[in-house]
Amino acid sequence: KAGVTQTPRYLIKTRGQQVTLSCSPISGHRSVSWYQQTPGQGLQFLFEYFSETQRNKGNFPGRFSGRQFSNSRSEMNVSTLELGDSALYLCASSAGQGPYNEQFFGPGTRLTVL
Amino acid sequence: ILNVEQSPQSLHVQEGDSTNFTCSFPSSNFYALHWYRWETAKSPEALFVMTLNGDEKKKGRISATLNTKEGYSYLYIKGSQPEDSATYLCAFGNTGNQFYFGTGTSLTVIP
Repeated sequence: KAGVTQTPRYLIKTRGQQVTLSCSPISGHRSVSWYQQTPGQGLQFLFEYFSETQRNKGNFPGRFSGRQFSNSRSEMNVSTLELGDSALYLCASSAGQGPYNEQFFGPGTRLTVL
Repeated sequence: ILNVEQSPQSLHVQEGDSTNFTCSFPSSNFYALHWYRWETAKSPEALFVMTLNGDEKKKGRISATLNTKEGYSYLYIKGSQPEDSATYLCAFGNTGNQFYFGTGTSLTVIP
């Protein structure tokens, strides 16, 4: 089975721009979660989508949004980029919803905001 | 904001040594505890999902225990090898269906 894929792998943007990141889960997985990692911080939960519905949201401003399509692929959008948004963004897919399900992570998108 | 703490932050051991690290998490609203291994330039890889107090899981030379009443989990590596060098993350899942990650323990195994 193909693993979780994320595109692009690297991205450079300037402050004020917006960005869209994409995540394709493992075939058959219906849950996709997004995480942000900044230096010195653990992975911070952004949101989780299951069957095209946002089921959970972390403590991030409204500039961070996402969606999930009928094929379970998910996109994450960040508008009005700030320098502090520079981070590694990881997505993870799982077969079901809920914290007892094993998560499979993608390689991440490294976003740099100048 | 829930606190998940991992200790030590980093660790250097000689090849062949056994080692262990700790993950501390809130003891209330517990649902699951996950351990991941994250090698540089790769994706985090799931090691264990633990849900019951007293759970013990093992995969090769790596094992983990769980105490949900006191809020901690230990990860053990027996006979460390250079390929065990990685950051080991734990994640606490609560009844609110969210994961809270620790900042990880960085392990370096010196040949």
